[in-house]
Amino acid sequence: AQRVTQPEKLLSVFKGAPVELKCNYSYSGSPELFWYVQYSRQRLQLLLRHISRESIKGFTADLNKGETSFHLKKPFAQEEDSAMYYCALRIVDTGRRALTFGSGTRLQVQP
Amino acid sequence: SQTIHQWPATLVQPVGSPLSLECTVEGTSNPNLYWYRQAAGRGLQLLFYSVGIGQISSEVPQNLSASRPQDRQFILSSKKLLLSDSGFYLCAWGRTGDVTEAFFGQGTRLTVV
Repeated sequence: AQRVTQPEKLLSVFKGAPVELKCNYSYSGSPELFWYVQYSRQRLQLLLRHISRESIKGFTADLNKGETSFHLKKPFAQEEDSAMYYCALRIVDTGRRALTFGSGTRLQVQP
Repeated sequence: SQTIHQWPATLVQPVGSPLSLECTVEGTSNPNLYWYRQAAGRGLQLLFYSVGIGQISSEVPQNLSASRPQDRQFILSSKKLLLSDSGFYLCAWGRTGDVTEAFFGQGTRLTVV
């Protein structure tokens, strides 16, 4: 079965420091990867998807099929980036119409 | 615009009691509907999803069940709650055929005592 692993439960950095939230997945076929974010007192929402190859709020993520990873990166963290981040996977070549989420990483950006 | 409503926001229930959590979506037709559970240290676990009325896919064997009596209504139920059913339950919807983006409700905090 497909699986998404986020090894860090908590990542604490200072404002202005680089951030990398790790995500690894297990699936040998064609996956689609996403990052979701939940800010304090807000709903869980989509941050970015790998097929878009876009930068959202300064965050980027590159799908590395060789390493089966989809790490989320930002060169300079801001305090407003503090939130819970979830990596999610969709298996393209099955009829399963749902996302598989990782366990999440809480990012704390300290002033 | 589309909105999703989930209630109640918090619930405290004794062990062995029944459960019914309701979720409704407005502003869209034939959405994909999902129930997730967010347990401490375990992230988001998919419980059920539905691609149409009466069509329910179960992801994990458990004490819970789901039903979709109407196009935009999704209900999570249990006949007898267990302590291990405590957690944060999230309902979500997605556009027909598009499983890439899920729109989440505010969630229900269930505590079984």
